[in-house]
Amino acid sequence: QQPVQSPQAVILREGEDAVINCSSSKALYSVHWYRQKHGEAPVFLMILLKGGEQKGHEKISASFNEKKQQSSLYLTASQLSYSGTYFCGTETRWNAGNMLTFGGGTRLMVKP
Amino acid sequence: DAGVTQSPTHLIKTRGQQVTLRCSPKSGHDTVSWYQQALGQGPQFIFQYYEEEERQRGNFPDRFSGHQFPNYSSELNVNALLLGDSALYLCASSLENEQFFGPGTRLTVL
Repeated sequence: QQPVQSPQAVILREGEDAVINCSSSKALYSVHWYRQKHGEAPVFLMILLKGGEQKGHEKISASFNEKKQQSSLYLTASQLSYSGTYFCGTETRWNAGNMLTFGGGTRLMVKP
Repeated sequence: DAGVTQSPTHLIKTRGQQVTLRCSPKSGHDTVSWYQQALGQGPQFIFQYYEEEERQRGNFPDRFSGHQFPNYSSELNVNALLLGDSALYLCASSLENEQFFGPGTRLTVL
């Protein structure tokens, strides 16, 4: 069963912040976040492993709450280059070898 | 360092035909996974190859088959093409946890 992402779409002005959520009905071992621009391949952003860790990458960070089976991606001071569709991919068991189940995506548009 | 590469970029086939897609993983990566991405949706896992064996398989029919070569490159074969097979086919390679995608092959079935 695929994870549920919310919101489905969001429009921001440059410099604004956004949060994208990913929820699963199954216990999660890891959550992978990707950004895909139109006509391009998904680009790896970060991976969060079981343990509730938080990671950051410049102005993009993420958290993983294994008890709630949720992960959130935080985009701060958004830039035009952040536009695209964000996908979370989940693994529900250890040593699944990156067999990811992806959510339906969140479309993010950043306007000047 | 070249990333994941795929060929061809685009392909047009008719129903009933067969197609072969190719993937070269990122240097040093030994695991290749294939995904199907329909328009407006997230990628769906087809199968994964490691050490030339199919290690895991998603919910796809036997018409979808694959192969991995000793140099870790991989092929995806689809037989008896259906209109519903039209999609972007993504190859992803990994060594441990991080998985990197190639640019994909856009398959159109008429």
